[in-house]
Amino acid sequence: EAGVVQSPRYKIIEKKQPVAFWCNPISGHNTLYWYRQNLGQGPELLIRYENEEAVDDSQLPKDRFSAERLKGVDSTLKIQPAELGDSAVYLCASSLGGDTYEQYFGPGTRLTVT
Amino acid sequence: KQEVTQIPAALSVPEGENLVLNCSFTDSAIYNLQWFRQDPGKGLTSLLLIQSSQREQTSGRLNASLDKSSGRSTLYIAASQPGDSATYLCAVKAARGSTLGRLYFGRGTQLTVWP
Repeated sequence: EAGVVQSPRYKIIEKKQPVAFWCNPISGHNTLYWYRQNLGQGPELLIRYENEEAVDDSQLPKDRFSAERLKGVDSTLKIQPAELGDSAVYLCASSLGGDTYEQYFGPGTRLTVT
Repeated sequence: KQEVTQIPAALSVPEGENLVLNCSFTDSAIYNLQWFRQDPGKGLTSLLLIQSSQREQTSGRLNASLDKSSGRSTLYIAASQPGDSATYLCAVKAARGSTLGRLYFGRGTQLTVWP
């Protein structure tokens, strides 16, 4: 069974440019998460989807970040415009519905903003 | 807000040693606790999941315990190998409040096992 797929794996952009990340969760997983991981830190949640609904987005900087999950499967996370402080690894994870299931992570996208 | 702390931040041991990684959390209202492994430049690999009603879980050379009331978990690695070298992260899933269902991570323990 395929795991969580993310693309691209690496992205280098100049500040003020837009960038988008894509995630395909494990088949059948209706909960999808986007995390940001800064160097030397644990991941921090940006947004959680239950099917198509964003149920926890309080830590998403909405002035520049947006996300969507059309049809309750794939998801896209966008930053516009990017700032130097956005350099980090962006991780996507998925799980079955409900709070007792474990989360499975993708390989992440390493973003460098110059 | 839930805070997760991992001690030590880094650990270097010779091959074959048994070792213990520690994780503590401030709010005992959790659904479960999950231990992950992260290799450099890679995503997180789930190692063990302990539900709040459980005391421990085992997988191969790994054993994780959970004491929810005291807010602590340990990951025991038996007969360590160089291939165990990685960063180990623990995370707890909040079971109350405005962050219900959110996973909180520690900063991790960077483990190096030398031959």
